[in-house]
Amino acid sequence: QVTLRESGPAVVKPTQTLTLTCTFSGFSLTTGGMCVAWIRQPPGKAPEWLALINWDDDKYYSTSLKTRLTISKDTSKNQVFLTMTNMDPVDTATYYCTRTDYGEYWLDSWGQGTLVTVSS
Amino acid sequence: EIVLTQSPATLSLSPGERATLSCRASQSLSRYLAWYQQKPGQAPRLLIYDASTRATAVPARFSGSGSGTDFTLTISGLEPEDFAVYYCQQRSDWPLTFGGGTKVEIK
Repeated sequence: QVTLRESGPAVVKPTQTLTLTCTFSGFSLTTGGMCVAWIRQPPGKAPEWLALINWDDDKYYSTSLKTRLTISKDTSKNQVFLTMTNMDPVDTATYYCTRTDYGEYWLDSWGQGTLVTVSS
Repeated sequence: EIVLTQSPATLSLSPGERATLSCRASQSLSRYLAWYQQKPGQAPRLLIYDASTRATAVPARFSGSGSGTDFTLTISGLEPEDFAVYYCQQRSDWPLTFGGGTKVEIK
């Protein structure tokens, strides 16, 4: 059974850097074809894809946010990390991590999400 | 970036009725489109991928169709648990993108 859980600060101040952790089980990012993606969803709005990392350490980023995002992994701990710099109130959203397959990119397993509020 | 436009924004229907949701892409996706269902306070759930393939444990009343730029999600007879928001997502090209959503509400 695949499970994912996001963790990180609930509140960050404007201009600060956000670091989120996705801890997963039921699969390994050392297995060929495995990928983890980050998605965010502002309150009342549609989801937005942010970044993806695969078993081979290839990384893909949102076009509009790529200068602010870094995705990385620690395969020994079954964790994926997302850092987002220069946080702004418009970045207030629920942040999800998801599992997907290389070449397919359908998001078939999701964490419960973590709400991050950007406020001074 | 591929833009997905969903319509209508809101669909007001009664239980047992048929729901037809549309997703239109700004360029051809072949069949690389998925549909997700989201209920309040929950993460989205994958329903349909590759335009018409139901994901694991998705009831047969959910069906997807279309190719190219026009896609449809049909719910053949709405059950009470189907009232939710539905999103489409494409994987034809980077970045992955989602549509703005259709809310299916009880009439």
